[in-house]
Amino acid sequence: EVQLVESGGGLVQPGGSLRLSCAVSGFTFSRYDMNWVRQAPGKGLEWVSYISRSSGTMYYADSVKGRFTISRDTAENSLYLQMNSLRAEDTAVYYCGRGHPDYGHIVDYWGQGTLVTVSS
Amino acid sequence: DIVMTQSPDSLAVSLGERATISCKSSQSLLYTSNNKNYLAWYQQKPGQPPKLLIYWASTRESGVPDRFSGSGSWADFTLTISSLQAEDAAVYYCQQYYITPWTFGQGTKVEIK
Repeated sequence: EVQLVESGGGLVQPGGSLRLSCAVSGFTFSRYDMNWVRQAPGKGLEWVSYISRSSGTMYYADSVKGRFTISRDTAENSLYLQMNSLRAEDTAVYYCGRGHPDYGHIVDYWGQGTLVTVSS
Repeated sequence: DIVMTQSPDSLAVSLGERATISCKSSQSLLYTSNNKNYLAWYQQKPGQPPKLLIYWASTRESGVPDRFSGSGSWADFTLTISSLQAEDAAVYYCQQYYITPWTFGQGTKVEIK
């Protein structure tokens, strides 16, 4: 069974940092692209970042470019999102998502999400 | 950025009736070299993550009931639920993955009348 479990969310002050983790199981992690997507409270979905299976290609939304860094560790079967210079508008549930085997830019499995709250 | 606009924002449909959601993109999502439209549909129920329903505009994801269908091309797409069931009450999102940043529509809330 495919499972993705996010962790690392919490309350942080503006300007602070957090590192989100996504532990995966039930599939061969190294064969799949991965994504982060977020959802502000009561709002819609916003794609945040993408990393290819080889880590050779990474994309970011303009709203997080230069502040967030996506990475992955095959040995740990984990995906990460390092978030620096956090702002109030980064407050959201952050989902990690597996890239579809047909095309990695489509998310076929999602974790349950981890809540990040940026507030003083 | 490509802007995705869904309509309506919400709709109420009786059980067993048809529900139709429109999604329009600000530019074509058809990649002519492979004749594929880079458009997906997701369903999200309260307190849950989204679930992939449709990709390539009309390909149903494995395990998705066949009452869900996607159609359209270029910049005009539709998600149809042919016979609404109680468990279909949710918010539905379209998403383009033609070009980064990949963008979602604002969502359409489907309720049972």
